[in-house]
Amino acid sequence: GEDVEQSLFLSVREGDSSVINCTYTDSSSTYLYWYKQEPGAGLQLLTYIFSNMDMKQDQRLTVLLNKKDKHLSLRIADTQTGDSAIYFCAPRGGGYQKVTFGTGTKLQVIP
Amino acid sequence: GAGVSQSPSNKVTEKGKDVELRCDPISGHTALYWYRQRLGQGLEFLIYFQGNSAPDKSGLPSDRFSAERTGESVSTLTIQRTQQEDSAVYLCASSPGTRVDRQFFGPGTRLTVL
Repeated sequence: GEDVEQSLFLSVREGDSSVINCTYTDSSSTYLYWYKQEPGAGLQLLTYIFSNMDMKQDQRLTVLLNKKDKHLSLRIADTQTGDSAIYFCAPRGGGYQKVTFGTGTKLQVIP
Repeated sequence: GAGVSQSPSNKVTEKGKDVELRCDPISGHTALYWYRQRLGQGLEFLIYFQGNSAPDKSGLPSDRFSAERTGESVSTLTIQRTQQEDSAVYLCASSPGTRVDRQFFGPGTRLTVL
């Protein structure tokens, strides 16, 4: 099955950029999702990228995909205290294979 | 309803008892997932249902755990002879089973085993 790895913790200062990294093992992954879990709240889809794309930008969010290295990153520009949350990388295999979640990276934003 | 619902929202049980957790997915969603999230930890995949295919049970931690799904509707996760290490939030998610297969998560059931 798919293995997905993320660093557990990231701390940044308000206004700086945050980069959350993810590596995965299944080269047939088609869609790669980022979910956000705020304290005491449920998981929400933040953004996603299709495997034939290298980059996707959505306001302050930039997703970069290096398919050769099976490396995905999420960059948050001008990080705000409201961005403090756990971010999960979740690739999905080809066809209707299940989505596999990473361990999650807890982002702490220091005012 | 508009979203995924789960019941109960909280369950406190004694070690050794059986518990049933229920998930009502979004109508029309063919895929349904169960996850476990221990305090301060990430999501642990338990089981995946997709349409009429055989479920992927590869994440179930022991034979005390089982899950059923009726067609493309309600699912029940059963934990037999609960142990203290089963204490966690159990999350259910459903997805449409389409190309952009985003998951919609329920609020979870917080299980506490005393």
